[in-house]
Amino acid sequence: KQEVTQIPAALSVPEGENLVLNCSFTDSAIYNLQWFRQDPGKGLTSLLLIQSSQREQTSGRLNASLDKSSGRSTLYIAASQPGDSATYLCAVRPDQGAQKLVFGQGTRLTINP
Amino acid sequence: DTGVSQNPRHKITKRGQNVTFRCDPISEHNRLYWYRQTLGQGPEFLTYFQNEAQLEKSRLLSDRFSAERPKGSFSTLEIQRTEQGDSAMYLCASSPRSSTEAFFGQGTRLTVV
Repeated sequence: KQEVTQIPAALSVPEGENLVLNCSFTDSAIYNLQWFRQDPGKGLTSLLLIQSSQREQTSGRLNASLDKSSGRSTLYIAASQPGDSATYLCAVRPDQGAQKLVFGQGTRLTINP
Repeated sequence: DTGVSQNPRHKITKRGQNVTFRCDPISEHNRLYWYRQTLGQGPEFLTYFQNEAQLEKSRLLSDRFSAERPKGSFSTLEIQRTEQGDSAMYLCASSPRSSTEAFFGQGTRLTVV
């Protein structure tokens, strides 16, 4: 059974710092991995999708990497801003035929002005 | 296109009542998913539709839960005889034919009192 873990559960950093959020999964046989952002009481906003054959994806100040063999992904946020404060969730799609995403519990990020 | 739309955004109901939620996916997205999220946790998969066919259901979807997607457009999720444990955020997502990237709605927050 695929399990996804995100550590730490919460992170607080000063504005302007670069930071890394971690995601690990127990079964390396995944089809793809997706990072989401969730603001309090809101739905999920897709940030980046990495296919199993890819090593990284970039969008603006965000960079996500994937190391399938070790069961790890990281989300790098450069030059953090208070508006980046949110919960960040990673989710894996177990295989091409699977339709469901398996989520981690998220990392709650606070950027202090 | 304004994305995945869910209604209502909030629902408070008394234990034992029935409730129904609606999800309008992004137009031309043929795949639709329902997830449930409790406080501090990542979303958990409930069910999946491809067009009008319900192809996968989680064991979390007890016999009090039923989902439909008539004509392969909008979907409804009904919970009968609600229990306090049903209190959660119910999230809907959709994906296009050409990709497995999931796009989520804002969710329906259910509170059972």
